[in-house]
Amino acid sequence: AQTVTQSQPEMSVQEAETVTLSCTYDTSESNYYLFWYKQPPSRQMILVIRQEAYKQQNATENRFSVNFQKAAKSFSLKISDSQLGDTAMYFCAFMKQKPNTGNQFYFGTGTSLTVIP
Amino acid sequence: GAGVSQTPSNKVTEKGKYVELRCDPISGHTALYWYRQSLGQGPEFLIYFQGTGAADDSGLPNDRFFAVRPEGSVSTLKIQRTERGDSAVYLCASSWTSGGATDTQYFGPGTRLTVL
Repeated sequence: AQTVTQSQPEMSVQEAETVTLSCTYDTSESNYYLFWYKQPPSRQMILVIRQEAYKQQNATENRFSVNFQKAAKSFSLKISDSQLGDTAMYFCAFMKQKPNTGNQFYFGTGTSLTVIP
Repeated sequence: GAGVSQTPSNKVTEKGKYVELRCDPISGHTALYWYRQSLGQGPEFLIYFQGTGAADDSGLPNDRFFAVRPEGSVSTLKIQRTERGDSAVYLCASSWTSGGATDTQYFGPGTRLTVL
């Protein structure tokens, strides 16, 4: 079974500073995908960034980047130049590709991030 | 529509009642997923549709839960004889296909179900 662990229930960061959210996962799969989703109070889950496990290069999307350590099964999210709009719950997710029955997602319990003005 | 929509936004019901939750996926998306998100938790998989058929319903907690997608677009999650433990946010997500390496799931805003 796949498990995703986010050990930081709550975090805060000063506006314009950098913050890193941690995520570890456990799997026996060799090919999988990892995601960070943002869930603001509106409840809408928004994709932040995605990483393919077979790629060694860390994914980057503007102010968001990941540190993917496959051997350690670690997938942290770094937010640079934090903005007030980054305040939200952040979920780390693991996706196992299942061509016949649908890709299966497993989510962590989330980290509540507050950006302080 | 531009994104996944879900109705109602909030639903309050009494224990033992029947409820239906609706999901409108992004136009053209053939894959549709239902998740349940309890307070303080991440979403948990319930059921997956590819087209009109439920390809994987292994996440449904018991036979009180049922979902349909008769025309391969809109889906309805149905809960019979609701219990207080069913209170949660029910999220729907869709993607172009499923099983593909580049499939990204796009989520709706969810329906918050409260069973009194």
